[in-house]
Amino acid sequence: EDQVTQSPEALRLQEGESSSLNCSYTVSGLRGLFWYRQDPGKGPEFLFTLYSAGEEKEKERLKATLTKKESFLHITAPKPEDSATYLCAVQAPPFGTASKLTFGTGTRLQVTL
Amino acid sequence: GAVVSQHPSWVICKSGTSVKIECRSLDFQATTMFWYRQFPKQSLMLMATSNEGSKATYEQGVEKDKFLINHASLTLSTLTVTSAHPEDSSFYICSARLMTDTQYFGPGTRLTVL
Repeated sequence: EDQVTQSPEALRLQEGESSSLNCSYTVSGLRGLFWYRQDPGKGPEFLFTLYSAGEEKEKERLKATLTKKESFLHITAPKPEDSATYLCAVQAPPFGTASKLTFGTGTRLQVTL
Repeated sequence: GAVVSQHPSWVICKSGTSVKIECRSLDFQATTMFWYRQFPKQSLMLMATSNEGSKATYEQGVEKDKFLINHASLTLSTLTVTSAHPEDSSFYICSARLMTDTQYFGPGTRLTVL
């Protein structure tokens, strides 16, 4: 059974204090690893897709990396508007139209002034 | 790009009534749409996968007669909660998938059953 574990469960940072969120996964064959941001009372917002170990993607203060067992979401010099829950999800077989995402429970990030 | 809308954003209904939630992909055609349910401070739970023109595939434990899904076109899927009860109160979120496998999510619908 596919499993996704995110840590820490909650993280409180001061503005400008860089850190990393972890997503560990166990799947039978990784099709893709996805990072989403979710604000309270809203649907998840797509951030990144990573497909193979060694791949990295960046967007503003966020950088996602992928190894064979885990992914990291690095947040550099965060601002209060980065406060949200960050969700990690993996896509594994079966592929094609039957494929679906398995989500982790998320990391709740709070950035204070 | 890749915008998904949901309507309504919130709904309050009486126990025993049915509620329909619409999910639309506004700027792309989605062959596959998904319906999720989310409880407070929990992650997303997949309810069903909906392919255009065919019957939805429900996850184990999800009652197909209670949660009716219709995916009549490449831009519209609907979820009808039939004979709703207070335990059906939740946050329902849809997503639509491009051929690149990335799912784009709607803003969600908050359902409260009195």
